Amino acid sequence: NAGVTQTPKFQVLKTGQSMTLQCAQDMNHNSMYWYRQDPGMGLRLIYYSASEGTTDKGEVPNGYNVSRLNKREFSLRLESAAPSQTSVYFCASPDRSSTDTQYFGPGTRLTVL
Amino acid sequence: DQQVKQNSPSLSVQEGRISILNCDYTNSMFDYFLWYKKYPAEGPTFLISISSIKDKNEDGRFTVFLNKSAKHLSLHIVPSQPGDSAVYFCAALPEGSTNAGKSTFGDGTTLTVKP
Repeated sequence: NAGVTQTPKFQVLKTGQSMTLQCAQDMNHNSMYWYRQDPGMGLRLIYYSASEGTTDKGEVPNGYNVSRLNKREFSLRLESAAPSQTSVYFCASPDRSSTDTQYFGPGTRLTVL
Repeated sequence: DQQVKQNSPSLSVQEGRISILNCDYTNSMFDYFLWYKKYPAEGPTFLISISSIKDKNEDGRFTVFLNKSAKHLSLHIVPSQPGDSAVYFCAALPEGSTNAGKSTFGDGTTLTVKP
């Protein structure tokens, strides 16, 4: 039982390049979330998916797109990366049976040059 | 306007002593609060929470206190251990929310516990 996994762990992009961050959970949760954490700051919600087939914008969605491929997988795409998107990206999946329990992946450290 | 504030970016304490991490919030609609702990190169992990109907919640060495009138909460760690060295995030959920995914996070406090 791996919980929440993310790939890749590290990525360096040039401005204008595109990439997709992958996230998968094996806990059979309905919801999945993408956050970004900038240095010295808290986590900010980019997009979330309350259930398979649905996605909604969070606090900072500009420059990103998401796909809820199936119940397990939720990907985040940067179509044209910008230096302002340099950050650590976390995928998370809350446990609906508990308000408290949200499982985070290990993060993807992205640098855009 | 930042709705959840952790005004101390860092805190250093001696092993065995008490660590007190503070968090203030501005949105009166928040009624459920969580603390997360984060080690380098790992995702955050849930630590402890408190509902606004309580003023204290305790779990082993960790206690969270809530002062709703002051819109302030604090996390006490007693006794502090070197393994507690991490970044601690305060997070808040609005009234009626049952999903921790929509938490509003503070910027975090880096705790260093010295042996």
